[in-house]
Amino acid sequence: GAVVSQHPSWVICKSGTSVKIECRSLDFQATTMFWYRQFPKQSLMLMATSNEGSKATYEQGVEKDKFLINHASLTLSTLTVTSAHPEDSSFYICSALTGASGANVLTFGAGSRLTVL
Amino acid sequence: KQEVTQIPAALSVPEGENLVLNCSFTDSAIYNLQWFRQDPGKGLTSLLLIQSSQREQTSGRLNASLDKSSGRSTLYIAASQPGDSATYLCAVSKGGANSKLTFGKGITLSVRP
Repeated sequence: GAVVSQHPSWVICKSGTSVKIECRSLDFQATTMFWYRQFPKQSLMLMATSNEGSKATYEQGVEKDKFLINHASLTLSTLTVTSAHPEDSSFYICSALTGASGANVLTFGAGSRLTVL
Repeated sequence: KQEVTQIPAALSVPEGENLVLNCSFTDSAIYNLQWFRQDPGKGLTSLLLIQSSQREQTSGRLNASLDKSSGRSTLYIAASQPGDSATYLCAVSKGGANSKLTFGKGITLSVRP
């Protein structure tokens, strides 16, 4: 079946540094990927929709200059948290659309846990 | 704005019990509804997907039903096992070009041996 890989699975960084998280579709091409954030005991909140070859679409309240998304190929989307602060510590999960057009089936990565000291 | 509610937030049952997890959503104009399982610190595993035209889906000991008009879905787990302990999330989608999911907060299930 379809597999989505995220890397790194966990990362610890100092406040003020930038962190890049990769999301790869391993055995299929994904023109659309989604980035979610999940705080402890909370639901997944959509941050942005990543479209291959074009700018990402950000949800209301998500700072596009802070959370940079690049979808340069059909198998890779990256999320860069710039100038990270402790409040950015969270679990970040990506997903990709699989299946035929309109099938609307999403495959999720295993997530990346970011801790900002 | 679509809102998805899952109550209770946590549930503890003895092994072998049949149980029902509930999910409700405010906007009935959905394309599909999915149930996911999330283990602590892990990503999501899709369990069942119900298209808006369907009433239920079954996979092994799991059965999910959908009543779109009333904005409700249930996930039925038969003969629960300790390995079923996890957080179960439901999510709805409007589909098409807008395939993003709106998630509930999940129900954390603990099955006691």
